[in-house]
Amino acid sequence: KNQVEQSPQSLIILEGKNCTLQCNYTVSPFSNLRWYKQDTGRGPVSLTIMTFSENTKSNGRYTATLDADTKQSSLHITASQLSDSASYICVVSPGGKDNAGNMLTFGGGTRLMVNP
Amino acid sequence: KAGVTQTPRYLIKTRGQQVTLSCSPISGHRSVSWYQQTPGQGLQFLFEYFSETQRNKGNFPGRFSGRQFSNSRSEMNVSTLELGDSALYLCASSLGIQGAYEQYFGPGTRLTVT
Repeated sequence: KNQVEQSPQSLIILEGKNCTLQCNYTVSPFSNLRWYKQDTGRGPVSLTIMTFSENTKSNGRYTATLDADTKQSSLHITASQLSDSASYICVVSPGGKDNAGNMLTFGGGTRLMVNP
Repeated sequence: KAGVTQTPRYLIKTRGQQVTLSCSPISGHRSVSWYQQTPGQGLQFLFEYFSETQRNKGNFPGRFSGRQFSNSRSEMNVSTLELGDSALYLCASSLGIQGAYEQYFGPGTRLTVT
């Protein structure tokens, strides 16, 4: 069964500090891995999309890494700001001839709170 | 380019009633997916429509249904509402099928069932 597990479930950090969120998945083969940011009560917004051949991708202060061998991804946030307080969701898209176009698998998310 | 829009944004219904939610995708996008989000369950996939055809369906009872029109706008319907249907309903559009293309989410419809 395809699964995406995220850790930690929640995290509190001080403004200006860095943090790293983890995502482990069992989807195989997979086509791409996505990180979304979701503010409370709003729809998710895409941060990065990585294919299986990409190791890292950045979007401003957000850097996602991917290790397709160990089926792990991380999202690193540098110099956190109060506006980074949100849920971060890891999403994996299956690939391969028989899986292409199948449903995305969502992680449960990490709730990040940045305090002043 | 306008983003994904959902109407209404907030809705309060009574148990047993039915509800219809609407989603207008980004212009040119042909795929619309629907999700239910609750605090305890996270994002749960409902169904995906592409070119007016349902491509995939999540593990939800038949009370949940949807359709897509020729202009790619989509509606989802929930009949015989239950208290557990209270949730944020999100739709997302993409150029093509959800697995291969980036999805853009709407702001959601907050449904409260009393």
